[in-house]
Amino acid sequence: NAGVTQTPKFQVLKTGQSMTLQCAQDMNHNSMYWYRQDPGMGLRLIYYSASEGTTDKGEVPNGYNVSRLNKREFSLRLESAAPSQTSVYFCASLEMEFYNEQFFGPGTRLTVL
Amino acid sequence: TQLLEQSPQFLSIQEGENLTVYCNSSSVFSSLQWYRQEPGEGPVLLVTVVTGGEVKKLKRLTFQFGDARKDSSLHITAAQPGDTGLYLCAPNQAGTALIFGKGTTLSVSS
Repeated sequence: NAGVTQTPKFQVLKTGQSMTLQCAQDMNHNSMYWYRQDPGMGLRLIYYSASEGTTDKGEVPNGYNVSRLNKREFSLRLESAAPSQTSVYFCASLEMEFYNEQFFGPGTRLTVL
Repeated sequence: TQLLEQSPQFLSIQEGENLTVYCNSSSVFSSLQWYRQEPGEGPVLLVTVVTGGEVKKLKRLTFQFGDARKDSSLHITAAQPGDTGLYLCAPNQAGTALIFGKGTTLSVSS
């Protein structure tokens, strides 16, 4: 099992450009999450999807959109990137059968110039 | 909105020292998790505590959940350079998305 995979690993954008961050999990988890991590701010929830076909806003959704393409894939889109969106983005999926453990991907390091 | 605080924010110690980090909130939680994140990686689950007053040990790491299930502590005995990382607490409340504290950044030098 690959667990949670994210692409790309690194990305540099210019202000106003758009891009989609891809996330996939092979653990058959229902719930998936997108976080951003900034120095001193911890992990902040952008959007989550409790199950296929549903998405909900988290703490910091402005400037982002998401798509739960199927049970495996959950993408995050920046329509018009801004320097304030420079961050490390983590995707996670949730195992709810026993301990509600979140499994994280390796992250995407995004710089917006 | 629940207030979640982790302390200290930064901790730099020598190999062999003991340390304790804290996670405090004004809310009651059904359970609480501790994650460790190493540089360049995503967080990885260390432990889940469920019962008020519960103590769990993971080698040199001891985790405690407060009696009122509002706070937790992580104690590391004889810290090693491999313990270096960001320690995050994540309380759970039924029906809500998992939230994370801002974390404690631990640096252990040899």
